[in-house]
Amino acid sequence: GQNIDQPTEMTATEGAIVQINCTYQTSGFNGLFWYQQHAGEAPTFLSYNVLDGLEEKGRFSSFLSRSKGYSYLLLKELQMKDSASYLCAVRDLRATGKLIFGQGTTLQVKP
Amino acid sequence: ETGVTQSPTHLIKTRGQQVTLRCSSQSGHNTVSWYQQALGQGPQFIFQYYREEENGRGNFPPRFSGLQFPNYSSELNVNALELDDSALYLCASSTRGSGILYEQYFGPGTRLTVT
Repeated sequence: GQNIDQPTEMTATEGAIVQINCTYQTSGFNGLFWYQQHAGEAPTFLSYNVLDGLEEKGRFSSFLSRSKGYSYLLLKELQMKDSASYLCAVRDLRATGKLIFGQGTTLQVKP
Repeated sequence: ETGVTQSPTHLIKTRGQQVTLRCSSQSGHNTVSWYQQALGQGPQFIFQYYREEENGRGNFPPRFSGLQFPNYSSELNVNALELDDSALYLCASSTRGSGILYEQYFGPGTRLTVT
């Protein structure tokens, strides 16, 4: 079966750091993606991990452990505009390369 | 802006009707994937088109069908609409080469409401 789990909601304070976790069990793995989605808008690409370790991109970092089926997205120096849904997605190993998404984590940043 | 466009932006249909949603992929992309996103959920894969042929399908009934045109734009057709079809429909374009599907870029989506 295929299962991707994320917390449903998180709240953090402006300027702080927040970590959003994602665990997955999939029949095939060809990379893990994090997307940001503001209400009513399309998902926008944040990060991609295919090998174990940390990928850093400005205020955003993403970590992957394939042996544990675990990833996290780290957001530093939170801003109000970071309030959004964060989607963890695993890319299927098969030819389609389809993305299998978790339900998303709604992050609310408070002043 | 990803260069992927979708039309219409919003649509209201009645149960039992048929609907066609359209997607123009980013320049240079030859693969289009369609996803359905219900409120509060992550997107679910419907199907993918590569070089005008269906290249994989998710767990959706046959009343969900699609087309890809020579210019790589695509349509999603849904027949016999049901209330549960109300969702945001996302199109994602990407490039496939050497058997590898590269990063997918999402369009703004079409919000379909079935009453």
